[in-house]
Amino acid sequence: AQTVTQSQPEMSVQEAETVTLSCTYDTSESDYYLFWYKQPPSRQMILVIRQEAYKQQNATENRFSVNFQKAAKSFSLKISDSQLGDAAMYFCASPLVFGKGTRLSVIA
Amino acid sequence: SAVISQKPSRDICQRGTSLTIQCQVDSQVTMMFWYRQQPGQSLTLIATANQGSEATYESGFVIDKFPISRPNLTFSTLTVSNMSPEDSSIYLCSVEGRPQETQYFGPGTRLLVL
Repeated sequence: AQTVTQSQPEMSVQEAETVTLSCTYDTSESDYYLFWYKQPPSRQMILVIRQEAYKQQNATENRFSVNFQKAAKSFSLKISDSQLGDAAMYFCASPLVFGKGTRLSVIA
Repeated sequence: SAVISQKPSRDICQRGTSLTIQCQVDSQVTMMFWYRQQPGQSLTLIATANQGSEATYESGFVIDKFPISRPNLTFSTLTVSNMSPEDSSIYLCSVEGRPQETQYFGPGTRLLVL
């Protein structure tokens, strides 16, 4: 069975600074996809970034990037130049199994 | 990306009753998913609904409690039957879209059972 573990229930970051959210996973699949989703307070879940496991290159989407370490089964999300709108719950997923989430606060 | 709507957006129900949640997508999709998100918790997959076949339920979820319909490629319903306060949750539908295995979520149905 797949498992996804997020060990940081809460994180905070100063506006314009960089923060990294951690995620580890376990899967028996050889080819798979990993995701980070964002759920703002009382708002819809949206995709942040997607990584294909067979690609060694880390995915990037504007200020969001991942550090994908396949051997270590680690998939962390880095948010650069944090903005107030980044405040949300962030879920790591593989792809139908979700971690417990990390609540990110952005301090002005 | 797909645009997904859910009805109702929220409801308050009495224990022992049933509620049917509707999920409508603006394009044809093969796979639709139903999740439960208990207050302050992560998402747990209830079942996968493919058009023209029985839904596939995850461990801990049964058809008698959560019957699902999938009459066409743009619509699905989830019924929460014989509700108890433990069923108070947000119920989310999602669809798989592009790129591959990416999920797009509806806004959720917030259910409170008294």
